[in-house]
Amino acid sequence: NAGVMQNPRHLVRRRGQEARLRCSPMKGHSHVYWYRQLPEEGLKFMVYLQKENIIDESGMPKERFSAEFPKEGPSILRIQQVVRGDSAAYFCASSPRDRTGELFFGEGSRLTVL
Amino acid sequence: KQEVTQIPAALSVPEGENLVLNCSFTDSAIYNLQWFRQDPGKGLTSLLLIQSSQREQTSGRLNASLDKSSGRSTLYIAASQPGDSATYLCAPGPGTYKYIFGTGTRLKVLA
Repeated sequence: NAGVMQNPRHLVRRRGQEARLRCSPMKGHSHVYWYRQLPEEGLKFMVYLQKENIIDESGMPKERFSAEFPKEGPSILRIQQVVRGDSAAYFCASSPRDRTGELFFGEGSRLTVL
Repeated sequence: KQEVTQIPAALSVPEGENLVLNCSFTDSAIYNLQWFRQDPGKGLTSLLLIQSSQREQTSGRLNASLDKSSGRSTLYIAASQPGDSATYLCAPGPGTYKYIFGTGTRLKVLA
C-alpha cells in the first residue's frame, strides 16, 4: 500500500505565477488535509476535504488559495499570483475516516517564490 | 479554539537516557491524539495513535499516555539512540475536524 504521494517535491515560481500542488492519498482514504509549514515554525492547518467536498477551509487565506478533491484524481492545492510569503513546505495528510482515523503524511512539497 | 503546547521546546541528551516529552492541550473534547516525528526536510511519520477511550499506547521503546480530562499527553522514549534525533509533534483531535499541532520538541541524542 503506497503512502501519501505529493508532487512536485520542489517547486520554484516567480512572483505572480501560479503554483499547483498535488496529493494522492493512501488507497482507501477519502479524507485529505493540507497543512503549511513555514521555516522554523509549526504546522498550520489549511483545509480539510472529502471527495468532492470542502469540509473545513478555516485555515485557508481568503484570496489566491483554493483546494479541491475531485471524485477521480488527486487533491489539488492551488496558489494563484504567488508572493514571497507563500514560500513554505506544504504537507498533505490522508485518513481513512474523520475524527477517529489515523493521519498519514506525505513528504511535502517545498515551494520557493523568487 | 484548540491550543497545543509542547515542553520542552528543545532537548539534548546523551545516548541511553530515558526521555519524557510533554504535550498539553486546551480543548479536551477530542477523539484521539497522535504523536509524530519529523526529520529535517521530511514529512511527518506517525508514531502512536491513542484513542480517547485509551490511556496509553506502546510501540517498541515508545510509550504514550493520554489524560484527556486534564488535557495532557506524555511520550516516553526508553534508552534513547542517536537515530531518535528529530522533532516530535503531538496532535490532539479532531474535535472539530482539524488536527491542531504543537510546535514540537526538537530532540538531539548525542552518541
